[in-house]
Amino acid sequence: QQQVKQSPQSLIVQKGGISIINCAYENTAFDYFPWYQQFPGKGPALLIAIRPDVSEKKEGRFTISFNKSAKQFSLHIMDSQPGDSATYFCAASTGNQFYFGTGTSLTVIP
Amino acid sequence: EAQVTQNPRYLITVTGKKLTVTCSQNMNHEYMSWYRQDPGLGLRQIYYSMNVEVTDKGDVPEGYKVSRKEKRNFPLILESPSPNQTSLYFCASTGTGGYHNEQFFGPGTRLTVL
Repeated sequence: QQQVKQSPQSLIVQKGGISIINCAYENTAFDYFPWYQQFPGKGPALLIAIRPDVSEKKEGRFTISFNKSAKQFSLHIMDSQPGDSATYFCAASTGNQFYFGTGTSLTVIP
Repeated sequence: EAQVTQNPRYLITVTGKKLTVTCSQNMNHEYMSWYRQDPGLGLRQIYYSMNVEVTDKGDVPEGYKVSRKEKRNFPLILESPSPNQTSLYFCASTGTGGYHNEQFFGPGTRLTVL
């Protein structure tokens, strides 16, 4: 049973466009929601993270929107660049345990 | 350079032959964890450790063992590997202050069990 559901599985965006990846969860005990970026042949790297007492967090071109009542959160990549082409994973944590989404393969076309 | 290292990076073995994948971090992190990554399933946590001699099961612990005798090392042990353990494995560590801190991942170990 997937604790964190992520969509879409793949995404193609034109350079300069907005990339949006969505995640949903059921367990209200989750209190930390990170997003990871993974390039081929590399381990995941933390991109941005949010806690449920905040509805939005922005770091540069990356923004997390968090809807606690709907139990959903999303990653927005503004002005998408070819260098953003990677696999993105959302995750949720209850403390010691982490649950990841199934990943979104993002391709940004020049 | 602050990093998490894993060895070996690639391993092909046969069913039932015990193996160990090593993980080491040089950041004096307390929390360490093992994940497996499979296509369409994302990353799934196998085991984690809050500190030396403290380990606990993650989401998919069956068929795996871990130990944490030193703070910097967290080996993953497959005592009798089976083909369904063919996967890409990642070790990760997080600094003091708990899980809300950044989790650093190693480069991965690609395991094939024939």
